[in-house]
Amino acid sequence: GAVVSQHPSRVICKSGTSVKIECRSLDFQATTMFWYRQFPKQSLMLMATSNEGSKATYEQGVEKDKFLINHASLTLSTLTVTSAHPEDSSFYICKLAGGRIDTQYFGPGTRLTVL
Amino acid sequence: QKEVEQNSGPLSVPEGAIASLNCTYSDRGSQSFFWYRQYSGKSPELIMSIYSNGDKEDGRFTAQLNKASQYVSLLIRDSQPSDSATYLCAVLDISGNTGGFKTIFGAGTRLFVKA
Repeated sequence: GAVVSQHPSRVICKSGTSVKIECRSLDFQATTMFWYRQFPKQSLMLMATSNEGSKATYEQGVEKDKFLINHASLTLSTLTVTSAHPEDSSFYICKLAGGRIDTQYFGPGTRLTVL
Repeated sequence: QKEVEQNSGPLSVPEGAIASLNCTYSDRGSQSFFWYRQYSGKSPELIMSIYSNGDKEDGRFTAQLNKASQYVSLLIRDSQPSDSATYLCAVLDISGNTGGFKTIFGAGTRLFVKA
């Protein structure tokens, strides 16, 4: 499988600050990237889908101005949580996909804690 | 709203037993199904995919699909304590006119294998 990294793996920030999370593929070119959020003891909730060079498509209820997604290249996507609040504390996970539906790879996740 | 339902558990089995995990889905047109394993604090990892009715075996894992009943299951033979994790059932949703796709996850079943 592909090697996918997320940076940072864990971040603690103060309420009101912005946090940028990077998702990077080392050996796989992703035509599509997905960003998920997972609260404790809950399942993964898709936040948005992005294709390289295009604007992200956000799921219902996800504020696009709060969660900024930039799919800069086939190997890099970033999620910026702007003006973070304690309720944004969650586990954020990216997933990369190629042209086939069975070629999908999760990143290791980023644990965000907003104080 | 397309849904994937799982019993949240926990399911507790003794070491060496067969663990049976079940999942139902709402979209009769779904064609692609996945089982992921997620350890606490980690991102999910794909363990099985299944696309046709019947059984698919991979080592100690067997996935079973019944499209008529809209039912997917995962059997784990000779369960080991290291199998203790949350198992997520997922269904691929190919939606819209652009040919894009996304994965809908169930809430997961927590499995405990007692030594």
